[in-house]
Amino acid sequence: DVKVTQSSRYLVKRTGEKVFLECVQDMDHENMFWYRQDPGLGLRLIYFSYDVKMKEKGDIPEGYSVSREKKERFSLILESASTNQTSMYLCASTTGLAGGGVTDTQYFGPGTRLTVL
Amino acid sequence: GENVEQHPSTLSVQEGDSAVIKCTYSDSASNYFPWYKQELGKRPQLIIDIRSNVGEKKDQRIAVTLNKTAKHFSLHITETQPEDSAVYFCAATDSWGKFQFGAGTQVVVTP
Repeated sequence: DVKVTQSSRYLVKRTGEKVFLECVQDMDHENMFWYRQDPGLGLRLIYFSYDVKMKEKGDIPEGYSVSREKKERFSLILESASTNQTSMYLCASTTGLAGGGVTDTQYFGPGTRLTVL
Repeated sequence: GENVEQHPSTLSVQEGDSAVIKCTYSDSASNYFPWYKQELGKRPQLIIDIRSNVGEKKDQRIAVTLNKTAKHFSLHITETQPEDSAVYFCAATDSWGKFQFGAGTQVVVTP
């Protein structure tokens, strides 16, 4: 059974703080993703990664960065948290070969609800 | 890039009736179309998916249809039950694995 875990379920930070959200998957998946979920906007892709040390911008990368030093771990970093980054953050992973392979479903972590005061 | 539109945003149905959610996509290279169900406070979970070489797929009370020419796909839930109440998301992706999600549909099944 695929397991995707996130470091925190709830997090409260202050404006200007540096925030780290961590995601770990145990299925040797190549692809990992970070989304934010806001009411009425669905899931919006922040960053994704096809392999270790690789990263690609998603639709809303501004104010965020990522790190993937190991295949199983994908970190989302808010360099200087702002109130408009208050949201639910979801990590996901999937197997599948980039650039021509067969895409498989995404498996999601439980989410981190971040509040920036 | 890919753009996925999902309708309706909310759907209220009587228990036992059918529910239909529709999505359109823009990128003709998209070849995989999953549907996720997200119950309150929980993570999205895959309920059914379809690939571009298939026109229809069914799993018990849930079915998905795909029209590649028109670039739209739909989720059909028959004989709805209260436990079908949730937010449903459609998504489209190409072989690079980048998913684009619809905005979601809040389904409420009333007894």
